[in-house]
Amino acid sequence: AQTVTQSQPEMSVQEAETVTLSCTYDTSESDYYLFWYKQPPSRQMILVIRQEAYKQQNATENRFSVNFQKAAKSFSLKISDSQLGDAAMYFCAYSLRGTSYDKVIFGPGTSLSVIP
Amino acid sequence: NAGVTQTPKFQVLKTGQSMTLQCAQDMNHEYMSWYRQDPGMGLRLIHYSVGAGITDQGEVPNGYNVSRSTTEDFPLRLLSAAPSQTSVYFCASSYSGAANQPQHFGDGTRLSIL
Repeated sequence: AQTVTQSQPEMSVQEAETVTLSCTYDTSESDYYLFWYKQPPSRQMILVIRQEAYKQQNATENRFSVNFQKAAKSFSLKISDSQLGDAAMYFCAYSLRGTSYDKVIFGPGTSLSVIP
Repeated sequence: NAGVTQTPKFQVLKTGQSMTLQCAQDMNHEYMSWYRQDPGMGLRLIHYSVGAGITDQGEVPNGYNVSRSTTEDFPLRLLSAAPSQTSVYFCASSYSGAANQPQHFGDGTRLSIL
């Protein structure tokens, strides 16, 4: 069965600095998606970034980028120039490509604090 | 603003009571789903729908029912509330080309069962 692990329950970063959140996953499949979702105190889940496993290039969205290591089954999120609004829970998620919702697996989350 | 609307935001129930959590989206998305979020855990899929009239079970469906009579609405029913169903519930939607990529989430419903 597929699993997603986030080994850092809590992290903190100084404003304007860079922080990396870790995620590892376990799967025997080769074609899948990986995601990072942000959940601020308002509770709403926001899709931050998506990576397709067949793509070698790491996805980037403004200050957010990922380091996708397929062989190591690692998918870390780097946040550059951290802002106070980045404080949130961050969830890593996995899903098989071409299947329905029942294959979306979320990790337990990392709580990120941003220190002014 | 377009998006996913959940009601209510908070609810307290007694064990054995029933209720319906409402979810509506105005983006004409085919795919809708319900998740529950418990402390220390990620979201777990309860039920999902790939279109009007079509629903299926997710990872933790027991104790919940869903229906999808229109594209816009996807209510979640608790048949006989139990304390184990105390959780935060999220509804999500996505377009057909992103079936397994929940894109838009509601603000959540915090449900407490006494």
